[in-house]
Amino acid sequence: QQQVKQSPQSLIVQKGGISIINCAYENTAFDYFPWYQQFPGKGPALLIAIRPDVSEKKEGRFTISFNKSAKQFSLHIMDSQPGDSATYFCAASTFTGGGNKLTFGTGTQLKVEL
Amino acid sequence: DSGVTQTPKHLITATGQRVTLRCSPRSGDLSVYWYQQSLDQGLQFLIQYYNGEERAKGNILERFSAQQFPDLHSELNLSSLELGDSALYFCASSPQGGNTGELFFGEGSRLTVL
Repeated sequence: QQQVKQSPQSLIVQKGGISIINCAYENTAFDYFPWYQQFPGKGPALLIAIRPDVSEKKEGRFTISFNKSAKQFSLHIMDSQPGDSATYFCAASTFTGGGNKLTFGTGTQLKVEL
Repeated sequence: DSGVTQTPKHLITATGQRVTLRCSPRSGDLSVYWYQQSLDQGLQFLIQYYNGEERAKGNILERFSAQQFPDLHSELNLSSLELGDSALYFCASSPQGGNTGELFFGEGSRLTVL
């Protein structure tokens, strides 16, 4: 069962532009929402994360916007650079019974063109 | 470099065989997670161990098993392999019980079943 829906599947942005990736979730028990970045041949790496009691979090060029009532969150990459070309995964986490389940979206392949 | 080490990096085997994937977590991390990444299923959570004990279980097949040893390294055993088991298998670790989505992923073991 897909619990975190991510769109778009792929995205092409010009250098200096804004990249926007959207995610939606169903399970209200999720309590932590990280974004991971994955380069070819590498494992996913944590990029930025947010808790549901915060509506926005910014770290450098990366911003998460969170809408708890709509159960949606998004990643904005400002001033996108060719080095940002990677696959981005949103995720949602539940911590229950001493265990941590991280559910990933399907990923967005971002290409930043010169 | 995330500090998580996975071996082997590549593995080619035949249907019906059994393989073991090994993971060494970051120094000091008590939790180990296993994920499967395939083109059609995305990143799927398999199982989590915390200090030697199973803590959370995801979509792990009965043909698969895992354990975490006293030195905190973990092994994922895949048996009676099928063509559909071909995928990237990631190990991740986190401090303590990992009550967030902040996981540190290794570079993965690519399994090809012929």
